[in-house]
Amino acid sequence: EPEVTQTPSHQVTQMGQEVILRCVPISNHLYFYWYRQILGQKVEFLVSFYNNEISEKSEIFDDQFSVERPDGSNFTLKIRSTKLEDSAMYFCASSDVVGHTEAFFGQGTRLTVV
Amino acid sequence: DQQVKQNSPSLSVQEGRISILNCDYTNSMFDYFLWYKKYPAEGPTFLISISSIKDKNEDGRFTVFLNKSAKHLSLHIVPSQPGDSAVYFCAAGQSGNTPLVFGKGTRLSVIA
Repeated sequence: EPEVTQTPSHQVTQMGQEVILRCVPISNHLYFYWYRQILGQKVEFLVSFYNNEISEKSEIFDDQFSVERPDGSNFTLKIRSTKLEDSAMYFCASSDVVGHTEAFFGQGTRLTVV
Repeated sequence: DQQVKQNSPSLSVQEGRISILNCDYTNSMFDYFLWYKKYPAEGPTFLISISSIKDKNEDGRFTVFLNKSAKHLSLHIVPSQPGDSAVYFCAAGQSGNTPLVFGKGTRLSVIA
């Protein structure tokens, strides 16, 4: 069964460092998303991406964040200068139809900023 | 601002019995509702959905009920199995490419 793959599963980084989280969406999907879940809190939307551009972003997704689809298969989330409060599980998701409905999620990357 | 609320952080049910997970929402613009299941160290897995034009959707052991006037939906699992033990997230959205809004989740434990 096709699945969304995220690497690494766990990333530890020092505050102020740049981090890149990687995702390989399902191959025929066209819509890509990043969500995050801070420990003990709800899953929150960060950004959606379609046709090589951001289609929507939340207020969490500030100038420190960026997304890219550098080739035909990867979808990355970059945090330029990490803060302690960026520590969370980051989930990539993709869907083959417009909208987040029935989006398929990856297993997540746990980011720990120390 | 909790647009989607799951007021029960946890629920324990005996194997074979019915599990009922509840979810309330406040935004009347939501017209699509989903349930996701999440195991530890895995991402949310889509389980079942319902659009606002229906009040019930069934898929095997899983049934979602929607009460639009009460802005309430519930997920019924019957019969419950130990493998159903997971965190269940309710999510809501609007037609089109709008973000899903998630509840905080309910941890279901099915006891053998």
